[in-house]
Amino acid sequence: EAGVAQSPRYKIIEKRQSVAFWCNPISGHATLYWYQQILGQGPKLLIQFQNNGVVDDSQLPKDRFSAERLKGVDSTLKIQPAKLEDSAVYLCASSLARAPNSPLHFGNGTRLTVT
Amino acid sequence: DQQVKQNSPSLSVQEGRISILNCDYTNSMFDYFLWYKKYPAEGPTFLISISSIKDKNEDGRFTVFLNKSAKHLSLHIVPSQPGDSAVYFCAASADGTASKLTFGTGTRLQVTL
Repeated sequence: EAGVAQSPRYKIIEKRQSVAFWCNPISGHATLYWYQQILGQGPKLLIQFQNNGVVDDSQLPKDRFSAERLKGVDSTLKIQPAKLEDSAVYLCASSLARAPNSPLHFGNGTRLTVT
Repeated sequence: DQQVKQNSPSLSVQEGRISILNCDYTNSMFDYFLWYKKYPAEGPTFLISISSIKDKNEDGRFTVFLNKSAKHLSLHIVPSQPGDSAVYFCAASADGTASKLTFGTGTRLQVTL
């Protein structure tokens, strides 16, 4: 099966600029996640979708971050305006909704550098 | 507050020997634990998991041990192979599922020839 697709792979922007990341999950996976991984740390959950609805966005900095999954498939994560501390790898993951212990399948991530 | 801790940032093991990666957690509500492996420039890939109702789970060369009283789990890889060289993340969940994971900071394993 095709894996989780993410684009772009790399992005360099200046602080206060905007940026958007795209994710296409594995076909049939109803649950989609965005994680932020800062260098030297483990991934941290930003937001979880079930189909096109938000399940958990408690750790999403909503003043500058937004995410959507309009048709329950692809998702975009946006940062506006970016800060230096947003430099990280942004990982998208998906899993089967009907299998509680279905592990997360991660994409290769987008590495964001904010200068 | 780091609820999942991997206190060894790196580990070097000879090929053929056993690799033991350790993980400690502080949240007693965690009831499902996973190990992920990550190669450079790739996303983490699922390796093995264990529910809190068990104390051991085995899959080929990989075994995960859970000590609930000590809030400690470990991943054993035997025998270690050069292809096992990667960063290993311990992750935990408090709702019995593999979602909403809290990750540790990772341990870089290097398997030498």
